[in-house]
Order: sequence, then C-alpha cells, then structure tokens
Amino acid sequence: RKEVEQDPGPFNVPEGATVAFNCTYSNSASQSFFWYRQDCRKEPKLLMSVYSSGNEDGRFTAQLNRASQYISLLIRDSKLSDSATYLCVVNKGGGGGGSQGNLIFGKGTKLSVKP
Amino acid sequence: NAGVTQTPKFRVLKTGQSMTLLCAQDMNHEYMYWYRQDPGMGLRLIHYSVGEGTTAKGEVPDGYNVSRLKKQNFLLGLESAAPSQTSVYFCASSYLFEAFFGQGTRLTVV
Repeated sequence: RKEVEQDPGPFNVPEGATVAFNCTYSNSASQSFFWYRQDCRKEPKLLMSVYSSGNEDGRFTAQLNRASQYISLLIRDSKLSDSATYLCVVNKGGGGGGSQGNLIFGKGTKLSVKP
Repeated sequence: NAGVTQTPKFRVLKTGQSMTLLCAQDMNHEYMYWYRQDPGMGLRLIHYSVGEGTTAKGEVPDGYNVSRLKKQNFLLGLESAAPSQTSVYFCASSYLFEAFFGQGTRLTVV
C-alpha cells in the first residue's frame, strides 16, 4: 500500500458544483494532515490543515478519520478559480526528530471547474 | 520577506555535467527539504534536513547530495547528471509542519 493515495482524477465539474476528494494513508503513526493546492507550473501552497474534529474554512471542509486512515476535502459552490491540483499531505510520523517534519505528498487530484 | 528562494529557475545540463541548486529561506526554519516532481509521480522527497549541519535521505536520494552548512541554506548537488534527473525541483522549509515552497527549478538533462 502506498504511503498516501488519492483519487486519480481529473475531476471536471461545472461552476457551483460540490466536489469531494478522498485520501488514504498507510502509516498509523502519522499525526499531522494537510491539504495543499498547486496551480499549474507553480509551487504547492497550504490550503488547510486537517484536524480530528473536522474543520471548515469558507467553502472548504476537511475531515479526518483516524480509524480508517482516511482524509477528505469537500469544496462547495465551486468557482473557476478553484481549478488546480489538490495534494493530500501526511507527516511520516513514527518518532521524534526528522520524522515529525517529514511530509509525504500524494500524487494529487486535478480539479477543473468549467463555466 | 522573500520566504523560500531557489536558484536557478531554469537550467539545461548535458549528461555527465554537475551542478548545484541553491535554496535559501529567511524564516529561521529548522526543517528544509528537496523534492522532485515528475508528471504522474507527484512530489517525491530527495533529501531533507532537520537543522544546520544535518541531512537525511528521503524517498529518492540516489544521484544527489546535499549540504546544510548554514541554517538558511540547503544545497542540492548533482555530481553527474543523467536524463532521468530531468524534473522540476522544489525546495521547502517548515516550522513544525506547514511547509513553504520555493518557486521551483526546471532542470533538463540532455
């Protein structure tokens, strides 16, 4: 099983649609989870952290299920500007020192929002 | 505040040539990373550092060396470039867990 797996995509949706991305991770010792956004030919940027209780930021909702080792990102009322690749990111975990900062990236899911 | 700066932004190398990519951060972060990104492969960790003077191997370290002589700089070296090293290279630094990325270096080895 790969360390971080995401929906392969691409997701092509109309403006205003709700879209959900899923991600699973293999290391049960992982403690921190994130969604990053990467625009075409640009660097990844943090979209939001994912907490056990779930968290929301405007149109974006992130959920974590530790028992299933599953992370999700929901985007409501999609905008054209949401078109990008969304990366699921998990810290490697398993101990102190470098493992805490060792982030493992999923391959990303490309979202294209059409007018 | 520049954040994370990578140089150069573009480079074409011939097979067998060597080069060094420089990453500089002005956020006083302890952790620094080098990733490569290839189509369909996502971001893969090459090497990382948890502090000045320390380095560690990531997922794909072969063919690369790194050094972290100063806290703000993390250098990635290719001693003998190969076409398989054609990629986009991203440097990142982090405090705790959020990583900040440089704009990337597009390297082509011919």
